[in-house]
Amino acid sequence: ETGVTQTPRHLVMGMTNKKSLKCEQHLGHNAMYWYKQSAKKPLELMFVYSLEERVENNSVPSRFSPECPNSSHLFLHLHTLQPEDSALYLCASSQGGGQGSEKLFFGSGTQLSVL
Amino acid sequence: EDKVVQSPLSLVVHEGDTVTLNCSYEVTNFRSLLWYKQEKKAPTFLFMLTSSGIEKKSGRLSSILDKKELFSILNITATQTGDSAVYLCASPRGGSNYKLTFGKGTLLTVNP
Repeated sequence: ETGVTQTPRHLVMGMTNKKSLKCEQHLGHNAMYWYKQSAKKPLELMFVYSLEERVENNSVPSRFSPECPNSSHLFLHLHTLQPEDSALYLCASSQGGGQGSEKLFFGSGTQLSVL
Repeated sequence: EDKVVQSPLSLVVHEGDTVTLNCSYEVTNFRSLLWYKQEKKAPTFLFMLTSSGIEKKSGRLSSILDKKELFSILNITATQTGDSAVYLCASPRGGSNYKLTFGKGTLLTVNP
């Protein structure tokens, strides 16, 4: 166990559905991340929150909507997804800002299939 | 644009073999280089190498950083089937405290 828990582990959804991915960390970290991992591509950063504030600007389609209600929880709300959004979605946490922020602790991911 | 390139993309060895995985990088304002092991789904941290620590070792795994030639290697000696995984290399993007540039990974398969 890495101290980062993601649910659900698997998700199949149609293009018109709305669903949410959940992530919880028990490490006392103050930064949380969503990454997308597609086959044969590098891990791609989607969103970063530090102390519940969204930081960094990444080009992510608006059909992905993050929410960070507190420093231990992170959500990714999904709506009207496309088949090319099928991928492994990984949540991670770290001690945010400065040295140590690059050492990420990952959850086990949600394997998403969009039909 | 920052780049991290890993090679080979996949590798098959027999138990007991020694393997060397490669990671080259072009990163603005280099701070560190990290190695992760991804078996099944969750990547787990292995090593972080910085200017002040260019060699790390943990059991059968070791890693070195060559800041002049801009590459790192991950060495695994006496491989075991449990070493089968994807090994990821990453480096923080210049100017960012949060963004890591990842390589595509090396898929290592260790056969009994």
